[in-house]
Amino acid sequence: NAGVMQNPRHLVRRRGQEARLRCSPMKGHSHVYWYRQLPEEGLKFMVYLQKENIIDESGMPKERFSAEFPKEGPSILRIQQVVRGDSAAYFCASSPLGGHLSSNYGYTFGSGTRLTVV
Amino acid sequence: QKEVEQNSGPLSVPEGAIASLNCTYSDRGSQSFFWYRQYSGKSPELIMFIYSNGDKEDGRFTAQLNKASQYVSLLIRDSQPSDSATYLCAARGIIQGAQKLVFGQGTRLTINP
Repeated sequence: NAGVMQNPRHLVRRRGQEARLRCSPMKGHSHVYWYRQLPEEGLKFMVYLQKENIIDESGMPKERFSAEFPKEGPSILRIQQVVRGDSAAYFCASSPLGGHLSSNYGYTFGSGTRLTVV
Repeated sequence: QKEVEQNSGPLSVPEGAIASLNCTYSDRGSQSFFWYRQYSGKSPELIMFIYSNGDKEDGRFTAQLNKASQYVSLLIRDSQPSDSATYLCAARGIIQGAQKLVFGQGTRLTINP
C-alpha cells in the first residue's frame, strides 16, 4: 500500500518561472492538505482540499499560489512567477476523513518537494 | 499569539535520560493533539496522538494532556542517539472555521552519547 506520493522530490526554478508540485494521497484517502516549511521553521498550513473542492485556503498567499484536486489525478500546488522567498519544502498530507468524527486521525505526510528558486 | 507554541530549543539530553518536550495551545476548541518526529531533510512521521486528559504510553514514549492548562507534553524515556530529531506538536480542531492540524515551530532534540 503506497503512502502519500509527491513529485518531484527536488525542483529548481529560476525567478519568474512556474512551479508545479504534485501529490497523490494514500489509497482510500480523499482529503489532502498542503503545508510549507521554511528552513528551521515549523509546518505552515496552506490549503485543504477534497476531490474537486477547496475546503480551506486560509493559509495560501493571495497571489501567485493556487491548488486543485481534480476528480481524476493528483492534487496540484501551482506557484506562478516564483521568487526566492518561495524556496522551501512543500509537504502534502492526506487523511481518510476530514470532519469532526475523524479528529483523532493524524495526517500521513509525503516525502515533500524541495523547491529552490535561483 | 501563536496557536501552538513550543520551545524551539535546542534541547540537549544525555543518552539514557528522560527527554521532556512541551507544547501549549491557545484554542480551547482543539480536540486532539499529535506529536511528530522529523529528521533533518525528511518528512514528519507520526509518533503519538492524544485526545483525553491524562497520560498515554507507547513504548518509551508518553504523551500527556492537560486541557485545563492547554498543555501537551511528550516524554521520551531511555533516550537514544537515534531520538535526535525535531519534534513537532500539532493541535487539531476547528480553527479559523475549518478543521485542520496546526503545528508548532518544533523543538530540536539532541541526545548526547
